[in-house]
Amino acid sequence: AQTVTQSQPEMSVQEAETVTLSCTYDTSESDYYLFWYKQPPSRQMILVIRQEAYKQQNATENRFSVNFQKAAKSFSLKISDSQLGDAAMYFCAYRSADGGSNYKLTFGKGTLLTVNP
Amino acid sequence: DAGVIQSPRHEVTEMGQEVTLRCKPISGHNSLFWYRQTMMRGLELLIYFNNNVPIDDSGMPEDRFSAKMPNASFSTLKIQPSEPRDSAVYFCASSFRVRGKNIQYFGAGTRLSVL
Repeated sequence: AQTVTQSQPEMSVQEAETVTLSCTYDTSESDYYLFWYKQPPSRQMILVIRQEAYKQQNATENRFSVNFQKAAKSFSLKISDSQLGDAAMYFCAYRSADGGSNYKLTFGKGTLLTVNP
Repeated sequence: DAGVIQSPRHEVTEMGQEVTLRCKPISGHNSLFWYRQTMMRGLELLIYFNNNVPIDDSGMPEDRFSAKMPNASFSTLKIQPSEPRDSAVYFCASSFRVRGKNIQYFGAGTRLSVL
């Protein structure tokens, strides 16, 4: 079974600064997808960014980018120019690329990000 | 699109009562997922439907939990009888199941408190 580990329960950053959230995962599969979801106090789970394992290029979405290291099974999220609205719980998630029952997301325990003005 | 719609937003009930949580997936999506979020265990998949058929219910904790999807636009998660340890936030998510394009979109969740 796949596991996802987020080793930082809490992180803080100053507004306009850059912060990196860590995620590692364990799998024996070669083809899979990785995600970062954001959960603000409203509780809504919002997709931030997605990475396909077969792509070497790191995904980017505006101020959000990832550092995907497949050999190390590492998938960190970098938030540049942090804004107050970025304050939330961030979850790293894994999904197999195979069909059948493997379409479920396996989540890490989350990292609570605080943005200080 | 209005996104995934869950109701109620909050539910408070007493132990032993039946609880029904509802979900309307995004129109056109053919996969639906129920997750439970607790402080201790994080986010866990309870059950997953594809084309209204349950595919993986290995995460359903006990027989007290049941889920149905009578049509493509509606699903329920029922707990009968409810217990205090069922208190959690329950999320519904939907996606369009195509290889490489399977992004799950989540509802706002139902916070369940069983007293």
